[in-house]
Amino acid sequence: AQTVTQSQPEMSVQEAETVTLSCTYDTSESDYYLFWYKQPPSRQMILVIRQEAYKQQNATENRFSVNFQKAAKSFSLKISDSQLGDAAMYFCAYRSRGSQGNLIFGKGTKLSVKP
Amino acid sequence: GAVVSQHPSRVICKSGTSVKIECRSLDFQATTMFWYRQFPKQSLMLMATSNEGSKATYEQGVEKDKFLINHASLTLSTLTVTSAHPEDSSFYICSATYTVPFIGYTFGSGTRLTVV
Repeated sequence: AQTVTQSQPEMSVQEAETVTLSCTYDTSESDYYLFWYKQPPSRQMILVIRQEAYKQQNATENRFSVNFQKAAKSFSLKISDSQLGDAAMYFCAYRSRGSQGNLIFGKGTKLSVKP
Repeated sequence: GAVVSQHPSRVICKSGTSVKIECRSLDFQATTMFWYRQFPKQSLMLMATSNEGSKATYEQGVEKDKFLINHASLTLSTLTVTSAHPEDSSFYICSATYTVPFIGYTFGSGTRLTVV
């Protein structure tokens, strides 16, 4: 069975600085999707970024980028120029390409942004 | 973009009563709906998966008779917590997707259930 591990329960970053959130996963599959979701205090789940395993190029979305290391089964999220609104829980998630489609979530990392 | 409307956002009910939570996909047809439960400061725990027109598939340890899921149409799925007890108090979130082709997931805004 696939598992997702986020080893940093909490992280803190100074406003305008850069922070990297770690995520590793375990799978025997070769084709899958990886996601980072943000859950602010409102608890609405917001997609931050998505990566398809067959794509070698790391996904980017404005200030958010990932470092996808398929062989190492690592999928870290880098947030550049951190803003106060980035403060939230961040969840890394995995989805098999061929499954019925449920997401497997990590335990989350709580990110605080200091002004 | 794709929107899933989840209602109610908050509900307080008495122990022993039933509560229904609705999730509607507003601008796409959700072939699959996932229901999650989230305890404070924890991750989302998948409770069940429902495909339109089929019986839901429940995760191990989730009581199917307590958590009734209906997905009768491509735009509506409901979760009914029957004979609720205080230990059922939690945050419930739905997530919809169109699996073929896979387009991603859209989450509802969640329902905070408090059983008194």
